[in-house]
Amino acid sequence: DVKVTQSSRYLVKRTGEKVFLECVQDMDHENMFWYRQDPGLGLRLIYFSYDVKMKEKGDIPEGYSVSREKKERFSLILESASTNQTSMYLCASSFPGTENTGELFFGEGSRLTVL
Amino acid sequence: GQNIDQPTEMTATEGAIVQINCTYQTSGFNGLFWYQQHAGEAPTFLSYNVLDGLEEKGRFSSFLSRSKGYSYLLLKELQMKDSASYLCAVMDSNYQLIWGAGTKLIIKP
Repeated sequence: DVKVTQSSRYLVKRTGEKVFLECVQDMDHENMFWYRQDPGLGLRLIYFSYDVKMKEKGDIPEGYSVSREKKERFSLILESASTNQTSMYLCASSFPGTENTGELFFGEGSRLTVL
Repeated sequence: GQNIDQPTEMTATEGAIVQINCTYQTSGFNGLFWYQQHAGEAPTFLSYNVLDGLEEKGRFSSFLSRSKGYSYLLLKELQMKDSASYLCAVMDSNYQLIWGAGTKLIIKP
């Protein structure tokens, strides 16, 4: 069974703390994505990566950075967490190619609360 | 700007049929996707349309009209487990997915 695993389901952090969200996929996918999901809004793309050590900004990259040192692992970093970063964070992966890029496999999500 | 519109919430009865609409305005079009997301769980892929017409997959069907910027997801023989949010997403000219806010479907016995 294919799997995208996110390291933490629930996190509570304080304003200003550094936060790491880890994502690992076992499908040998080239493409990996980080989204945030907020009530009443569609999924918003933070960063994505089409290859190891490659990263591209999505629609809302401010306040975030990413790391992709290995093909299977894509990490999201909040350098200094703020309350407006309280959200559900979803990691996803896909095969390359046009249609395949849209068929995403998601992790269970990490619900982050910043106090 | 780019925009995907779908109803916020719908209610239907077990055993019935429901149609969830999605309209879009995007910079280019490279396909439309439907995902299902149960509460507290990850979205899962349901369907992909790139040409006009109906794609059927068991109890679920998805329709696309590119000229109208319109799609719908049709769910037949509704079951309680179909209670979920249904997300519409369009792939634009840059092969990026633009997501709707989702439609929460409530199934009543």
